[in-house]
Amino acid sequence: EDQVTQSPEALRLQEGESSSLNCSYTVSGLRGLFWYRQDPGKGPEFLFTLYSAGEEKEKERLKATLTKKESFLHITAPKPEDSATYLCAARRVGGGSEKLVFGKGTKLTVNP
Amino acid sequence: KAGVTQTPRYLIKTRGQQVTLSCSPISGHRSVSWYQQTPGQGLQFLFEYFSETQRNKGNFPGRFSGRQFSNSRSEMNVSTLELGDSALYLCASSPVGETQYFGPGTRLLVL
Repeated sequence: EDQVTQSPEALRLQEGESSSLNCSYTVSGLRGLFWYRQDPGKGPEFLFTLYSAGEEKEKERLKATLTKKESFLHITAPKPEDSATYLCAARRVGGGSEKLVFGKGTKLTVNP
Repeated sequence: KAGVTQTPRYLIKTRGQQVTLSCSPISGHRSVSWYQQTPGQGLQFLFEYFSETQRNKGNFPGRFSGRQFSNSRSEMNVSTLELGDSALYLCASSPVGETQYFGPGTRLLVL
């Protein structure tokens, strides 16, 4: 069964204190690893898509990387506005479906 | 382009009632997926529609159903509501094989 696990469940950082969020996945034939950001009461907002091991993508203070079993979301010098829940999701090959399997998220709090 | 829109944004129902939620995808997106989000289970896949056909279904009881219209708009229906159906229901649209974009969700409370 496809599975996505995120750690830690919650992370509290001081402004400027860099860290990484982990997403490990067990998916038969990965066809995309996705990162979303979700603010309270809102829908997930797309951040990155990664397709193959070794791929990296960056956006402002965020950088996502992918290996054959894990993905990391690195946050450099975070600001309070980066506080949110970060969700990781995997899509598998085959079946002609767009179904995403989500992890339960990492709730990030950045204190000023 | 306008984003994914969902209506209504909030709903309060009582046990045993039924509810219909609506989703309008981003223009040009033909795939629409529905997810249920709860604090305990996170985001769980309900079903996906493409060209008015259900392509995949998650592990939810038959009380949960959906459909897609020729303009790609989608509805989901939950019959005989239970307390455990209280959740945020999210709709996402995408071009085939590409990134899904989510709407703001419909918050359903069952009393």
